Amino acid sequence: GAVVSQHPSRVICKSGTSVKIECRSLDFQATTMFWYRQFPKKSLMLMATSNEGSKATYEQGVEKDKFLINHASLTLSTLTVTSAHPEDSSFYICSARERRGLANEQFFGPGTRLTVL
Amino acid sequence: AQSVTQLDSHVSVSEGTPVLLRCNYSSSYSPSLFWYVQHPNKGLQLLLKYTSAATLVKGINGFEAEFKKSETSFHLTKPSAHMSDAAEYFCVAPGGDNFNKFYFGSGTKLNVKP
Repeated sequence: GAVVSQHPSRVICKSGTSVKIECRSLDFQATTMFWYRQFPKKSLMLMATSNEGSKATYEQGVEKDKFLINHASLTLSTLTVTSAHPEDSSFYICSARERRGLANEQFFGPGTRLTVL
Repeated sequence: AQSVTQLDSHVSVSEGTPVLLRCNYSSSYSPSLFWYVQHPNKGLQLLLKYTSAATLVKGINGFEAEFKKSETSFHLTKPSAHMSDAAEYFCVAPGGDNFNKFYFGSGTKLNVKP
């Protein structure tokens, strides 16, 4: 149980285009999902917290107009990187917290590697 | 705010020797702490978690960690390293208003030599 998937697993796009990444909780309902970014050989940085049915809250320094987050249902959150540039290339990882689970327990997706040419 | 410090960016051990990966936390109140492992080009896997039930926590693959309040530490150990243990290890502490956000340490890359 508690499986989180991400799609796509890797994507290559041209500079200036937008890319959407999906995060799904496969066997549980997730009221809250989180989006992280990981630069090569670096740690994970929390970007934003996504709550079902409400606006995402972004960490300091993260551009909300650049990284659009939608959490339309209890099993799906999407991250759209708008007008992507090479500096947006990174490994994006989502996690989900179970609706009736522990407040501090998260289940992580396998990640999406974005390369912007 | 809660934060964690991983003191070593790289640790190298020989196969069969003990592993020690260090983590210190900053808050006087620590509701929980976690260790995650990330193998190359893979997702994150939970190794173990401390939730104040017991200070010595046993995890998967023979790893364990001891919560020491007096030292504000939560070091990860394993008696005998395997080649398959080579990976990146992250110490994680919840933070935010409801402690529902995860803040990752900088990570420690474990290299296991034959």
